[in-house]
This record gives sequence, C-alpha cells and structure tokens, in this order.
Amino acid sequence: NAGVTQTPKFRVLKTGQSMTLLCAQDMNHEYMYWYRQDPGMGLRLIHYSVGEGTTAKGEVPDGYNVSRLKKQNFLLGLESAAPSQTSVYFCATTQSSYEQYFGPGTRLTVT
Amino acid sequence: QQPVQSPQAVILREGEDAVINCSSSKALYSVHWYRQKHGEAPVFLMILLKGGEQKGHEKISASFNEKKQQSSLYLTASQLSYSGTYFCGTVYSGGGADGLTFGKGTHLIIQP
Repeated sequence: NAGVTQTPKFRVLKTGQSMTLLCAQDMNHEYMYWYRQDPGMGLRLIHYSVGEGTTAKGEVPDGYNVSRLKKQNFLLGLESAAPSQTSVYFCATTQSSYEQYFGPGTRLTVT
Repeated sequence: QQPVQSPQAVILREGEDAVINCSSSKALYSVHWYRQKHGEAPVFLMILLKGGEQKGHEKISASFNEKKQQSSLYLTASQLSYSGTYFCGTVYSGGGADGLTFGKGTHLIIQP
C-alpha cells in the first residue's frame, strides 16, 4: 500500500501560470484535505472533501480550486499562480475524522 | 481562529521533560497532536476528545482541560528522536470532518 501520494514533489512556476496538484490515496478514506504550510504559520486548510463529488472551502481558499471526481483522488488547481502561493502543500486523508494521514508534500515556488 | 501554542521553541538536554500547551478562545470538541520532522509530513501522535480521559503513548502523554479550553502535551525523559515541531490541531464542532485548525507549532530541540 502506498498510503497517500502527491504529485509532483517539486515545482517552479512563473506568475500567471497554472498547474494542478494531485493527491491519491489507496486507503479508501472518505475525507480528504488540502493544507498549505508556510514558515511560522503552521498548516492552514485550503479546501476539503467529505466524499466523492463533494468539496468545500477551508480557511484560505482564495486562488485555488479543487475537484474530487473519484474517491481516491483529490486535485488542487491554481488557475493563475501568484508569488503569495509559494508554499509547501500537504494532502491528508481520514476515514473517521480522527487520525489524519498526510502525504509527503509538494514544494511549490512561484517566481 | 488558530489555537495558540506555547512555548514557540524549547531546547532540552536528553532525558529532560517538556510541556507544550495549546489554548483556544473557542469551545473545543477535540484536540489532535502531531509531530513533524524537518522536510517530512506531520505524523499523528494522539487525540483528546471532549469528556475523554488523558491519553498516553509511551513517554508522551496529553491532557485536555475543558474548562480552560486548553490541552497540554507532556514529553517525559526526552529522547533525541523527539526533536521536531509539534502542532496541535483543534476541532470546534462535533465530528471534525471539516478539517483541523492548527496552531503555529512548537519547535523542540533535544541535545545529547
């Protein structure tokens, strides 16, 4: 079992470019989350999903969109990247809203 | 609204004890504790539920004071492997399906 995987691991974008981050899980979990982590800020929730076909906004959703077309995948999109979106992005999953399992992270730099 | 963690950082000698606090201005349903090593993903340590008892994991334990809306993480006889950043994640309503609100973290450095 791979657990939770994230693609890509690293990415450098220019301002205004778009990209999609993929989170995949083989744990059959219902709930999936996207967090961003910035120095000194902890982890902040961007968007989340409580099941296939559903998504909801978290604490810092502006500039991001998400989709959950399949239960095992949760996609995070940046339509027009900005330097303020330079961050480390973590995906997490849970079945029972107890322990969250985190992916290894994607380090994104926007120049 | 992020919970407040204290201290921001602490340096210990191996074998010493540490306490990390997590305080909320809103009523808490549960508190989660995670540890993150540099360059890695956060790893779950334990969860404290409202009305629940103190949890423990080897030499790491935690408590939840409902009156003060505060949780404390206790690291006893610290080991080098305990170094990292500790985060509390809070849930304000029942269930917690809508994700965690994390504090800014406490950096713990254990020296030999």
